[in-house]
Amino acid sequence: DSGVTQTPKHLITATGQRVTLRCSPRSGDLSVYWYQQSLDQGLQFLIQYYNGEERAKGNILERFSAQQFPDLHSELNLSSLELGDSALYFCASSVGDRGGWSYTFGSGTRLTVV
Amino acid sequence: AQSVTQLDSQVPVFEEAPVELRCNYSSSVSVYLFWYVQYPNQGLQLLLKYLSGSTLVKGINGFEAEFNKSQTSFHLRKPSVHISDTAEYFCATLSGGGADGLTFGKGTHLIIQP
Repeated sequence: DSGVTQTPKHLITATGQRVTLRCSPRSGDLSVYWYQQSLDQGLQFLIQYYNGEERAKGNILERFSAQQFPDLHSELNLSSLELGDSALYFCASSVGDRGGWSYTFGSGTRLTVV
Repeated sequence: AQSVTQLDSQVPVFEEAPVELRCNYSSSVSVYLFWYVQYPNQGLQLLLKYLSGSTLVKGINGFEAEFNKSQTSFHLRKPSVHISDTAEYFCATLSGGGADGLTFGKGTHLIIQP
C-alpha cells in the first residue's frame, strides 16, 4: 500500500455523463498530481494542486476540472464524457509543491466510457 | 519542452539473462531522469532516479541505470532477470525545479520467458 488512496477502482459510465474521481494523498503530503494513462496518449500529466491551490497545468481538457479540499483530498471531475476518455487515471502526492522527484502514486481508477 | 524516447516497445528476454531497456532524453540544461515500473493492474513504482552526482544510479530490485550526457541516454539494466520482473517500464523526465508534472516515455513491456 503506497498510502495514496484512489476511489473508485473501476468506473463504467455512458458517453455524455459526468464522473468524479477521488484521491486522498499520503499523510503529510500537500501536493496532489493527476495523470491520465491511455493507449493512444500514454501517460500524461493533467494538473497539480498544492495545499488547495492550483499549481501547474498539463494537457487537461476543458471538460475536465479538479480541486483540492481543506483536508487535502482531491477530486477530478470529468464531464461530457467521450469514448476516448476511457483510461486509467492516476493520482500522485508529494510533500512540497516541487515534488516531482519524490512522487508516490496511487493504484489508479480505471474509467470505461461506453 | 523536455521529452524522453523509449526505443523499444517490447523486450523479450529469458529468465536469468541480463536486460537493458533503452531511454534517450532531449538535451537540456537541467536534467532529472526517472525509471518507473508498473506491474499488471497496479500503480507506478519508482525504481530509481538521477538528479545529479554519480552517473551510475542504483535502484530497487537489482536495477541500475547510467546517465550518459554525451549520448543523452539513461538506459536501465539488470544483470539477471526474474519472472517477477515482467512489467511495463517507463522512463520519465522532469523540468528544472521540480515544478510541473513528469513527462513519460511510451513505455517498454519487459517479457520474461522461462
